[in-house]
Amino acid sequence: AQSVTQPDIHITVSEGASLELRCNYSYGATPYLFWYVQSPGQGLQLLLKYFSGDTLVQGIKGFEAEFKRSQSSFNLRKPSVHWSDAAEYFCAVAPFSGGYNKLIFGAGTRLAVHP
Amino acid sequence: DVKVTQSSRYLVKRTGEKVFLECVQDMDHENMFWYRQDPGLGLRLIYFSYDVKMKEKGDIPEGYSVSREKKERFSLILESASTNQTSMYLCASIHGTTTEAFFGQGTRLTVV
Repeated sequence: AQSVTQPDIHITVSEGASLELRCNYSYGATPYLFWYVQSPGQGLQLLLKYFSGDTLVQGIKGFEAEFKRSQSSFNLRKPSVHWSDAAEYFCAVAPFSGGYNKLIFGAGTRLAVHP
Repeated sequence: DVKVTQSSRYLVKRTGEKVFLECVQDMDHENMFWYRQDPGLGLRLIYFSYDVKMKEKGDIPEGYSVSREKKERFSLILESASTNQTSMYLCASIHGTTTEAFFGQGTRLTVV
């Protein structure tokens, strides 16, 4: 069955420090890959996505993610975290089904940022 | 910008009540989805619809039904609410070929 694993439930970093959030997926072929962010009390906002091509993708708010086929991973990174990045982050995959798509989400990683 | 609007941010209902959660999108997307979000479990797909009057079960459809009479509107129905349906409910819509999902703000439902 298709699945997405985010191994870290909570991560705390200091403001200005670098960040890496891990994501592994289980799927027979390369799916479409996404990272979403959810600020408290809000819906989800797309940070970035990978469909094909360059394995390093840039997103909004200074985030980037790298697709590694050999590791079935799609880790999210940011070189310098800001206090406003405190939120919950979700990795998702979309195994394209031709006529329509559905997103499968990981359990999420909650990021806290210390001043 | 695409807008996905959920009719209520917060709802409190009694056990056994019939509950309607409404979702409207304004970008003519074919696909619409209902997820529930629980701590430590991420988002789990309840139902989705890829066209008017079409619906497919997701991973946790038990206790829920849906209705899609118009392209822009996708309703989630709890036929007889139970306390284990207390959760955050998120609606999303996706254009058929782009795969990018747009989410509503969520409805936090409490069943007492």
